[in-house]
Parts: sequence; C-alpha cells; structure tokens
Amino acid sequence: AQKITQTQPGMFVQEKEAVTLDCTYDTSDPSYGLFWYKQPSSGEMIFLIYQGSYDQQNATEGRYSLNFQKARKSANLVISASQLGDSAMYFCAMREGGTGNQFYFGTGTSLTVIP
Amino acid sequence: GAVVSQHPSWVICKSGTSVKIECRSLDFQATTMFWYRQFPKQSLMLMATSNEGSKATYEQGVEKDKFLINHASLTLSTLTVTSAHPEDSSFYICSATRAGWVTEAFFGQGTRLTVV
Repeated sequence: AQKITQTQPGMFVQEKEAVTLDCTYDTSDPSYGLFWYKQPSSGEMIFLIYQGSYDQQNATEGRYSLNFQKARKSANLVISASQLGDSAMYFCAMREGGTGNQFYFGTGTSLTVIP
Repeated sequence: GAVVSQHPSWVICKSGTSVKIECRSLDFQATTMFWYRQFPKQSLMLMATSNEGSKATYEQGVEKDKFLINHASLTLSTLTVTSAHPEDSSFYICSATRAGWVTEAFFGQGTRLTVV
C-alpha cells in the first residue's frame, strides 16, 4: 500500500485565493512526522511545514497551514492568499519514528496560480 | 533553515565515464543523508540511505556497484555514477537530516546529469 497518497495531479487557483492540496497517509506507527515540500521549476526542494503525530494543534507557517485530521489520516496543505510564486510542485512526505530515517514521498501536486 | 549544498548543479558527460556528485551540509552535522533520483514530472525515488562512517543502504533495484555512495564525514556525502550510460541521465538530489527522527530533511539544489 502507498504510504503517502496525493490524489490531485494538478490544481489551479486564482491569485489571492486559498487552495487546499490533499494528502492522505498510511502507517501503523504511532510516532510519525508529516512534511510538505515545494519544488519550483528550478528543482530545489523547499521545506514548508511540519506536523508531528502527537501535536495537538494544526501547524501553521505564514501563509501555509496544515489541516491535520489524525483519525482520517489526512494532512492537507492550505495555502492562503495565493501568489504567482506559489506555482510549483508540492510534495507531501512522512517519516516514521520506528522504522529509521526514511522519508516517504507522495506523487506530488502541480499547482498553477492564475493571475 | 539549515543549508545543504549540492555540486555540480548540472553536468554533461560521455558514455562510459564516471561522475561524482557532492552533497555537503554547511551548518549542521548530518547524521543521515539520502540520495534520490527524479524523472520529469515524477516524485522522488529513494536510491540509498547513508549514515556517516558506515556503508550505504541501497533500495531494491538500485545497483550499488554503479551508484557508489560514500559518507566519509558528518558534513559530506558523495554519489559516483560509474560507467555512465544515457539511461542514467536524470535529476539527482540529496537530502540531509540531523539527529532525531522528527526533524525535516534539507535538500540540496539537485544535479541534472546528461550522459551523451
């Protein structure tokens, strides 16, 4: 089974609007971390936000917030007030506490911000 | 955030030659480094995990004799593509993590390898 599932290959959003990128995960480890990365066309991977499995509150970092629903095993990324520079690939990732250091990445969502 | 430097950013080489890619953590000690390969419009494919001072752990299907990984220090890991062929052309990207499982991975800028 896939560890990380991103069901939206591509998304469009109007500039200044909010957008939600979906991510579901699969693990039986009670300790895990969830991450979102942005990959612009230049190729670099930019860390955006982190949510720990024991965190009580949803993570927020500036315009990024993570809608963490543990029972549903979802960790959606919400980008508020979209900007043209937000156009990129977005990857959801998970790291399990009990199985070493490996990161599991989803297939990514390509976000295009329309002026 | 922490800085990981990957060099070179791009390289073109002839078939049969070897190419070395360096990954350095500039401002922290990287206990673990990961090497990924990424095809266009696809996700990152983990090739191997390396811990300082020990042999790298390769993912299934990755030829360890072709993709040599050395993690000689807490700040440097290298990936050498030996006897490169056109099918090895790809985007290679490294990441490094600090001690502690909850920490994020910091990525290098990536290396675009073209074998002609």
